[in-house]
Amino acid sequence: GENVEQHPSTLSVQEGDSAVIKCTYSDSASNYFPWYKQELGKGPQLIIDIRSNVGEKKDQRIAVTLNKTAKHFSLHITETQPEDSAVYFCAANPNTGNQFYFGTGTSLTVIP
Amino acid sequence: NAGVTQTPKFQVLKTGQSMTLQCAQDMNHNSMYWYRQDPGMGLRLIYYSASEGTTDKGEVPNGYNVSRLNKREFSLRLESAAPSQTSVYFCASSREIHPTYEQYFGPGTRLTVT
Repeated sequence: GENVEQHPSTLSVQEGDSAVIKCTYSDSASNYFPWYKQELGKGPQLIIDIRSNVGEKKDQRIAVTLNKTAKHFSLHITETQPEDSAVYFCAANPNTGNQFYFGTGTSLTVIP
Repeated sequence: NAGVTQTPKFQVLKTGQSMTLQCAQDMNHNSMYWYRQDPGMGLRLIYYSASEGTTDKGEVPNGYNVSRLNKREFSLRLESAAPSQTSVYFCASSREIHPTYEQYFGPGTRLTVT
């Protein structure tokens, strides 16, 4: 099955700085890559996604990039704010079924 | 509009006991899912239901059973709980089964098996 690795496991940034979270995947057939944000005590929430036919996607302060050749994708958060503090998960869908394989999560802390 | 609701929020079981986790959604979604979340392991799919009347195994189905009671409700049963099933369980739903349809998650059930 698909194996998704995520780094770093924890990340602290000063408010206003940028944060970058990286994921790699093993199955070259994977073609859909969502990112989820999980706030304390809540379920994950989709924040952005990217399909394999696109190299980059932006939504306000959040962007995701995909390098299919290297099999890695990254989440970029610019101008970080304290409310960005949460655990972020990447995921990949291998196109052979309906399930996602999730990374192990990154705990982001934005220091005011 | 409550979205996805789960009951109970917390549960402590002894080894060998059984219990059912309940999940309901009010978004008229066709597909529903059960995940478990363990420290350092991300979310793993236990079972899913593409539509009312169907269920399929996910990545880690052993020790669990599910029932899609109707379009709104999808329950997860542990017949004989084991300490390895200590986890946080999330239910989710989506309009359709295809992965590009957004999954909406409930608040989770924290289960401890002693």
